[in-house]
Amino acid sequence: GDSVTQMEGPVTLSEEAFLTINCTYTATGYPSLFWYVQYPGEGLQLLLKATKADDKGSNKGFEATYRKETTSFHLEKGSVQVSDSAVYFCARRAGFQKLVFGTGTRLLVSP
Amino acid sequence: DTEVTQTPKHLVMGMTNKKSLKCEQHMGHRAMYWYKQKAKKPPELMFVYSYEKLSINESVPSRFSPECPNSSLLNLHLHALQPEDSALYLCASSHILEGGTEAFFGQGTRLTVV
Repeated sequence: GDSVTQMEGPVTLSEEAFLTINCTYTATGYPSLFWYVQYPGEGLQLLLKATKADDKGSNKGFEATYRKETTSFHLEKGSVQVSDSAVYFCARRAGFQKLVFGTGTRLLVSP
Repeated sequence: DTEVTQTPKHLVMGMTNKKSLKCEQHMGHRAMYWYKQKAKKPPELMFVYSYEKLSINESVPSRFSPECPNSSLLNLHLHALQPEDSALYLCASSHILEGGTEAFFGQGTRLTVV
């Protein structure tokens, strides 16, 4: 079935370090792909998206490229800040109305 | 306006109570969703409304009863809940387009059943 696999966390980094959070998806069709972020005690915010192969989504210094050949959508940021500490969810569309989430990856950034 | 507004933010209810969660959006979205999120887990889909009609029910127990009175509002009526139903309940909305579009989420209602 449709699924998303994310790397286990937590990911612990120092401020200004490079971030990669891996995400792969099952290749049934060419689903839209998303990264959402959840700060403590809050709902989910859309961070970025990509709707077709080779698309690059970007926002607030975060980037992810839709790789059809590796069925991946890895999240990257060149220099993380303490304020980036949150849980990051990779997600894919499954049909018109379903959104399938990965298990989430907690990012902890220390000063 | 890209907001989905949920009320209340926090709710404590007894197992014999009846309560309702409310959700509102003014983005012209015709799909609205209820998700349940337990601690340290991803959101789990409960219900989807499309054009104000229930289109997906993910085998949710009948003690949860959704309602979509119009294209901007979504309610979740709660009755005879169990302590294990304590969770963050998230509302979301999106356009209905082939291929799908992003969903916008509210801040959630943190529900505690005592």
